[in-house]
Amino acid sequence: DAGVTQSPTHLIKTRGQQVTLRCSPKSGHDTVSWYQQALGQGPQFIFQYYEEEERQRGNFPDRFSGHQFPNYSSELNVNALLLGDSALYLCASSLAVRDTQYFGPGTRLTVL
Amino acid sequence: DAKTTQPPSMDCAEGRAANLPCNHSTISGNEYVYWYRQIHSQGPQYIIHGLKNNETNEMASLIITEDRKSSTLILPHATLRDTAVYYCIAVAPNAGNMLTFGGGTRLMVKP
Repeated sequence: DAGVTQSPTHLIKTRGQQVTLRCSPKSGHDTVSWYQQALGQGPQFIFQYYEEEERQRGNFPDRFSGHQFPNYSSELNVNALLLGDSALYLCASSLAVRDTQYFGPGTRLTVL
Repeated sequence: DAKTTQPPSMDCAEGRAANLPCNHSTISGNEYVYWYRQIHSQGPQYIIHGLKNNETNEMASLIITEDRKSSTLILPHATLRDTAVYYCIAVAPNAGNMLTFGGGTRLMVKP
């Protein structure tokens, strides 16, 4: 039974560029949440997707957007990258909105 | 969500029990106590959660005080692989189980 998978593992971009990160949820899960973890800090909630709609959003600007597909996989898009967007981006999935979240290994984004 | 308070760091000898405390004095009646851990640069790993009763699984035990203002995560026989940052989080199901991570406790298991 595959757990949560994320791609790519690592990514390097320059300021002003756009990036797309991908997440496949654990088998049987239909809800995906995204978190940003800056170096030395705990993860911060970005947003959550359920039934292909954004259900909750944390304190992140509109440059951060997402999408959920009919197969429950999800993408996180970040536009106009800033140096401060360098972080580990984590995807977590759950069986329905109120269930325990299970995390993937993360995508390490470096903005130069 | 209720704020949780944890000691920033703890040491434990290999093979001994690791007892990690968490204070959540403002927790509301419908908030669960969740524990996750994160080994360096990996995704957080779910450990255990509970509402009122003590809980045990293959990884750990969770002891919640009767007034629910604090809890303790117990790793019964700590190994070097248990070295990680442990996060205690109060989670409200009606808020979509959104996780608000604090600073956590950095547990160092020593030989």
